[in-house]
Amino acid sequence: DGGITQSPKYLFRKEGQNVTLSCEQNLNHDAMYWYRQDPGQGLRLIYYSQIVNDFQKGDIAEGYSVSREKKESFPLTVTSAQKNPTAFYLCASKLRDTKGGYTFGSGTRLTVV
Amino acid sequence: DAKTTQPTSMDCAEGRAANLPCNHSTISGNEYVYWYRQIHSQGPQYIIHGLKNNETNEMASLIITEDRKSSTLILPHATLRDTAVYYCIVTLSNFGNEKLTFGTGTRLTIIP
Repeated sequence: DGGITQSPKYLFRKEGQNVTLSCEQNLNHDAMYWYRQDPGQGLRLIYYSQIVNDFQKGDIAEGYSVSREKKESFPLTVTSAQKNPTAFYLCASKLRDTKGGYTFGSGTRLTVV
Repeated sequence: DAKTTQPTSMDCAEGRAANLPCNHSTISGNEYVYWYRQIHSQGPQYIIHGLKNNETNEMASLIITEDRKSSTLILPHATLRDTAVYYCIVTLSNFGNEKLTFGTGTRLTIIP
């Protein structure tokens, strides 16, 4: 079945370390997105990509980096520059030029210890 | 994107219709109303969207007022699995508009 896969589901990181969250989709969707969610809060956009080898900053890009070398993959790196990285991270994708909804992954919960 | 206002929480008895309101008084003519829901610790799930006309799918119905300043999501026969946070979002829904803004939504609890 087609879908969007995030891994790992839970991730622990020592303070000062970079960590990369995986997001893979086999839906042939053009656009991919990364959101961050803090407890009791809505989702905030970190980065998004409309096509391969291109991406744009969202509302809270500082301390994060992304790449889009393949259509299916959009990994997110949480760098040591991110001051408060503990959060629930969600990846989403969407087919270009349609009014359909976004498809979300099941999320990665990152905890800095 | 236009701002939306939703109640913080609602309860509904199992088997009854759950009606979730959303105000979007600043919506512009080409903005769509989208609804998503998020079950605890999972990714949001798309439910339905509409522009002017009422819409229905296998999950829910969306009723949009004639002036488009508010809408209601209806779950016709709520089950315990419908307990979730429901987000109402207004967006242009063009490929170039990427800032899908999720507020804090309505926490719907289905009571047995």
